[in-house]
Amino acid sequence: DADVTQTPRNRITKTGKRIMLECSQTKGHDRMYWYRQDPGLGLRLIYYSFDVKDINKGEISDGYSVSRQAQAKFSLSLESAIPNQTALYFCATSPGKEVGQPQHFGDGTRLSIL
Amino acid sequence: GQNIDQPTEMTATEGAIVQINCTYQTSGFNGLFWYQQHAGEAPTFLSYNVLDGLEEKGRFSSFLSRSKGYSYLLLKELQMKDSASYLCAVMDSNYQLIWGAGTKLIIKP
Repeated sequence: DADVTQTPRNRITKTGKRIMLECSQTKGHDRMYWYRQDPGLGLRLIYYSFDVKDINKGEISDGYSVSRQAQAKFSLSLESAIPNQTALYFCATSPGKEVGQPQHFGDGTRLSIL
Repeated sequence: GQNIDQPTEMTATEGAIVQINCTYQTSGFNGLFWYQQHAGEAPTFLSYNVLDGLEEKGRFSSFLSRSKGYSYLLLKELQMKDSASYLCAVMDSNYQLIWGAGTKLIIKP
């Protein structure tokens, strides 16, 4: 079983719809992240959470919101989807404060907004 | 601002050696990561450098020069399965990862 699981894997929806992407992990990591990836651009951080009560905006948080329901679950919502939010979305986790610990990624959600 | 630069695309021959460069300008430095990403898949961790010098891991090695803001990933004895994008990421003073756009490596027989 995957350590970091994202659902759904693919989603096509229409402009204006509310969408939730879910991420769950069995790695026991405190830190969780949401990124989006667009062709020709690096991974861009949307939101991150260091624990259940600590949620922070990343580089491109406008139009997105998140919820950390438990240590193992971190959801990303698009309140009113627009076509330029079409992208590949990744959830990632990492352990606590140790420098040098890599982030571990889920398999991604490919989101298309028409 | 913060910036990570990598070549967009490189081509190499099966069995050969290739070096992928990464230069960076960031607010602080807490290490540099290399990841491999096959098309449509998740990035997977390859290496981490925080001190100057070369780290070797099988066919893959990674080098860091902090004074030059420079790293490279060296891949030896290239195999077709090495065709992928290679992502350079720097951990800044806030312990956030700043990502390069990635280098697409094409391996030819």
